[in-house]
Amino acid sequence: DQQVKQNSPSLSVQEGRISILNCDYTNSMFDYFLWYKKYPAEGPTFLISISSIKDKNEDGRFTVFLNKSAKHLSLHIVPSQPGDSAVYFCAASALDNNDMRFGAGTRLTVKP
Amino acid sequence: EAQVTQNPRYLITVTGKKLTVTCSQNMNHEYMSWYRQDPGLGLRQIYYSMNVEVTDKGDVPEGYKVSRKEKRNFPLILESPSPNQTSLYFCASSHLSDSADTQYFGPGTRLTVL
Repeated sequence: DQQVKQNSPSLSVQEGRISILNCDYTNSMFDYFLWYKKYPAEGPTFLISISSIKDKNEDGRFTVFLNKSAKHLSLHIVPSQPGDSAVYFCAASALDNNDMRFGAGTRLTVKP
Repeated sequence: EAQVTQNPRYLITVTGKKLTVTCSQNMNHEYMSWYRQDPGLGLRQIYYSMNVEVTDKGDVPEGYKVSRKEKRNFPLILESPSPNQTSLYFCASSHLSDSADTQYFGPGTRLTVL
């Protein structure tokens, strides 16, 4: 069962604009959320995380928003740069049992 | 339903006792991969396979073996587990053309080696 879903397999934005990547989850027990970034031929690398006690976490150009009532989180990249072109995975976990589920990923292309 | 399954989901074992974690996908994917997830280290690739009978080392292959005798299965073998292999393991698969792109992840296997 797909407990974490990224419904957009791809996204294309212009350099300098905002990129918004979305993720939905179904399990209300999830209380910790992560975004990973993956370049071709490399493994995924951790990007940013948020716990369920917050609704926003910011790290430089990257901000993750969490809407618990909607079971939805999003990653905002502002401004987008060509080097941000990669696949972004959303992941969710329930800390008490260390369960973690991944979305299938969204390929972001930032055009110069 | 398209999915990647892993078994077992949780395993506690002792040092030196051989174990196998199975991974199976029903999407006819050519590419399969194993990762381990450790706090502060993120996901690290152990082994990957481009197709049947084709396997390659990832970033942290030491202490692990894999085999790809059938397209749908990609078991991870620990011949002599050690405590430093205590981790959360994920299997993933994709079509070869997408191997750099979207991947479907299994639910994870929590392994504890005492």
